[in-house]
Amino acid sequence: DGGITQSPKYLFRKEGQNVTLSCEQNLNHDAMYWYRQDPGQGLRLIYYSQIVNDFQKGDIAEGYSVSREKKESFPLTVTSAQKNPTAFYLCASRQGRAGEKLFFGSGTQLSVL
Amino acid sequence: QKEVEQDPGPLSVPEGAIVSLNCTYSNSAFQYFMWYRQYSRKGPELLMYTYSSGNKEDGRFTAQVDKSSKYISLFIRDSQPSDSATYLCAMRAGGSYIPTFGRGTSLIVHP
Repeated sequence: DGGITQSPKYLFRKEGQNVTLSCEQNLNHDAMYWYRQDPGQGLRLIYYSQIVNDFQKGDIAEGYSVSREKKESFPLTVTSAQKNPTAFYLCASRQGRAGEKLFFGSGTQLSVL
Repeated sequence: QKEVEQDPGPLSVPEGAIVSLNCTYSNSAFQYFMWYRQYSRKGPELLMYTYSSGNKEDGRFTAQVDKSSKYISLFIRDSQPSDSATYLCAMRAGGSYIPTFGRGTSLIVHP
């Protein structure tokens, strides 16, 4: 089955620790996105990648980093500089030439110990 | 003022009711309008997609866009308990690859 796989489903971060969230897609989509969702809030864009080896900061990129070395993979690192990382993180990819449809993964819930 | 405003609810209705969900926006450049449904702790899935003004129907769902009022709506007919979810509106300008999302409205359909 084609789709987007996010792992792990739940992740706990200790003070001062960097953690990496995995996002893999087998849809052959060029564009991939990372969003953060807080309770009662909409989706806020962290990073966006249109093609391999290229990515742009979104509205809330501070404290996060990404890489896009392969078309299928777009991992997100939450660094120790992100002081309030507790949130639900969603990865998505885009079908078509424009953003008319995003396919989302099932999300990763990150919590601070 | 946020670019996209959406009442978070919750909106509670009895089974079989007609549901109206709405968003307003301020950016007149928005041309593409989407509605996503998100079940608890899952990723959103696209329900409806419309371009510019007008109506679009798909089964029990109807999406309306009124660009002159900067107002979009999603109607759900004969609502079912399985429709209980959060509904997110999203929109983007032509030439942009990044949609702007509303906060989402929590819908509860009780039997």
